[in-house]
Amino acid sequence: KAGVTQTPRYLIKTRGQQVTLSCSPISGHRSVSWYQQTPGQGLQFLFEYFSETQRNKGNFPGRFSGRQFSNSRSEMNVSTLELGDSALYLCASSPGTGNNNSPLHFGNGTRLTVT
Amino acid sequence: AQTVTQSQPEMSVQEAETVTLSCTYDTSESNYYLFWYKQPPSRQMILVIRQEAYKQQNATENRFSVNFQKAAKSFSLKISDSQLGDTAMYFCAFMRANTGTASKLTFGTGTRLQVTL
Repeated sequence: KAGVTQTPRYLIKTRGQQVTLSCSPISGHRSVSWYQQTPGQGLQFLFEYFSETQRNKGNFPGRFSGRQFSNSRSEMNVSTLELGDSALYLCASSPGTGNNNSPLHFGNGTRLTVT
Repeated sequence: AQTVTQSQPEMSVQEAETVTLSCTYDTSESNYYLFWYKQPPSRQMILVIRQEAYKQQNATENRFSVNFQKAAKSFSLKISDSQLGDTAMYFCAFMRANTGTASKLTFGTGTRLQVTL
């Protein structure tokens, strides 16, 4: 089975621009969640999507949004980029059904640099 | 809200030796899961081991084992026979159980483990 795939691996953007990151989950997984990893704040939960609906949301401003498609692929969008948005963005997938005993499977992340 | 604390920013161990990484957490939940994830330079977070809070028996996965002390809210990871490939950042993480959502992990700040010859 192919793992979680995130594209692109690296991205450089300018302040004020917007960016879209993509995540393809493991086949059969219906839950996709996103995490931001920075040296200062560590790993923080952004949001989770299940069956095209946002099911859970972390404490991030509205500039951070996401969506999930019918094939479970997910995109994350950040608008009006700020320098502080520079981070590694990790996507994780899981079956997502009622049993939350399943561990998360992570992708390799997208490294976003805002200049 | 849950918090996870890893008090050792960096550790070093010689190949073939044993090392223990510490983790404490704070929660008012009675049922939850605890995890250790490994993040090598490739950046991918890899699940090392998982513990269910309602199970008293400590989890073991090959060279990796945990010491889970529920009353003390402690969850340490022991790596036996350390190998060069164990060099990575190790994150302790907490997840509430039975919330209907599988994915909200609360992570510690990580311990950077260096395995040396």
